[in-house]
Amino acid sequence: AQKVTQAQTEISVVEKEDVTLDCVYETRDTTYYLFWYKQPPSGELVFLIRRNSFDEQNEISGRYSWNFQKSTSSFNFTITASQVVDSAVYFCALSDGDMRFGAGTRLTVKP
Amino acid sequence: GAGVSQTPSNKVTEKGKYVELRCDPISGHTALYWYRQSLGQGPEFLIYFQGTGAADDSGLPNDRFFAVRPEGSVSTLKIQRTERGDSAVYLCASSLMASGSPTDTQYFGPGTRLTVL
Repeated sequence: AQKVTQAQTEISVVEKEDVTLDCVYETRDTTYYLFWYKQPPSGELVFLIRRNSFDEQNEISGRYSWNFQKSTSSFNFTITASQVVDSAVYFCALSDGDMRFGAGTRLTVKP
Repeated sequence: GAGVSQTPSNKVTEKGKYVELRCDPISGHTALYWYRQSLGQGPEFLIYFQGTGAADDSGLPNDRFFAVRPEGSVSTLKIQRTERGDSAVYLCASSLMASGSPTDTQYFGPGTRLTVL
């Protein structure tokens, strides 16, 4: 069955700390896509990244980086030098035809 | 360009009433999705449209929920005989569907917060 687990319900860090948000998934399909979305207090889901199951290269975009490891079925997200504006709920999602989201991790970055 | 828009932003209704929630997708996006998000949870898939037809409605919880997209653009999610348990944020998303399957990036609207008293 398709499943996404974000074990960290809430994380609190101080500004400039690095933080990693974990995501573990389950699927029977060999072709699938993984996503991360950010949901700030305003409520709108903001797309961050889409990665297909055949591309295991890590990706970096500014302060954001993603580590995709098929061997452990994980797609973790790291924010380097966190800022207060990074405070939000972050969702990992899996799509193999159906889109399924994890329960989200609430990140609070304190000044 | 304009993103996905949803109206109303908030809807308060009484148990048993009928409600309609509207979604206007990004221009040119052929796929449209509805999700429901309860407090403290991730979005839960309800239904998606490819063009005018519902390609997958397996997430609709029961027959009180229905959605249409008659002209392949704007969609309306309809809930009959609302119950208190229907209270949630209803999110709409759209995608290009360039790959032919619903694995393209979905862009979300701001949601409609439905409260059933």
